Amino acid sequence: IVLTQSPGTLSLSPGERATLSCRASESLRNNYLAWYQQKPGQAPRLLIYAASSRATDIPDRFSGSGSGTDFTLTISSLEPEDFAVYYCQQYGISPPYSFGQGTKLEFK
Amino acid sequence: QVRLVESGGGVVQPGMSLRLSCAASGLSLERYAFHWVRQAPGKGLEWVAVMAFDGSDEYYADSVKGRFTISRDNAKNRLSLQMNSLRPEDTAIYYCSRDVGGRYIVGNSDLWGRGTLVTVSS
Repeated sequence: IVLTQSPGTLSLSPGERATLSCRASESLRNNYLAWYQQKPGQAPRLLIYAASSRATDIPDRFSGSGSGTDFTLTISSLEPEDFAVYYCQQYGISPPYSFGQGTKLEFK
Repeated sequence: QVRLVESGGGVVQPGMSLRLSCAASGLSLERYAFHWVRQAPGKGLEWVAVMAFDGSDEYYADSVKGRFTISRDNAKNRLSLQMNSLRPEDTAIYYCSRDVGGRYIVGNSDLWGRGTLVTVSS
């Protein structure tokens, strides 16, 4: 399964709303899609699993939605610490558990 | 404190071998499936391999199948990745990560190490 993320780069300011997209080449069973955040020099951090469930200790400004082949990560009001690279990942039935190519969220 | 610490990275020539380790602390390795995920310099994430909690199942990305072997020693609380016939395109930071599914392989990860850098170059 190939995941395509858009846009490649998103330029926004703190306080604005961010909408990141992830499209799968085929429908994901049980909507098994996760979102990760990665900052420079750090490991990825799980934000969202099963398309819309927030992981432990993730602020509620992060939300996930979608089903089938189209998924969205929304950050309702950007904080300075949210500027990072975001990856989607499909998982579930069987490997390989592919990642999207990433969306870089940068300061405008 | 729950943490994963990778080690064993370094610079090797093409065709050589390297063995990576991932030491777990604050958690019992035997309760979880674990993955290796890599990231080439300046690039995205690539899933590499996964092993079930008891070592009964293991799966690999096509790009490493037949060259890499994942293993675990639950008694020592350690995960390993044996990498043979290394290629320049294997150059990456290698992360070990804990599967969210506990004893069952689900496929995504909720705990990651900081990674170890492998450079394959002549």
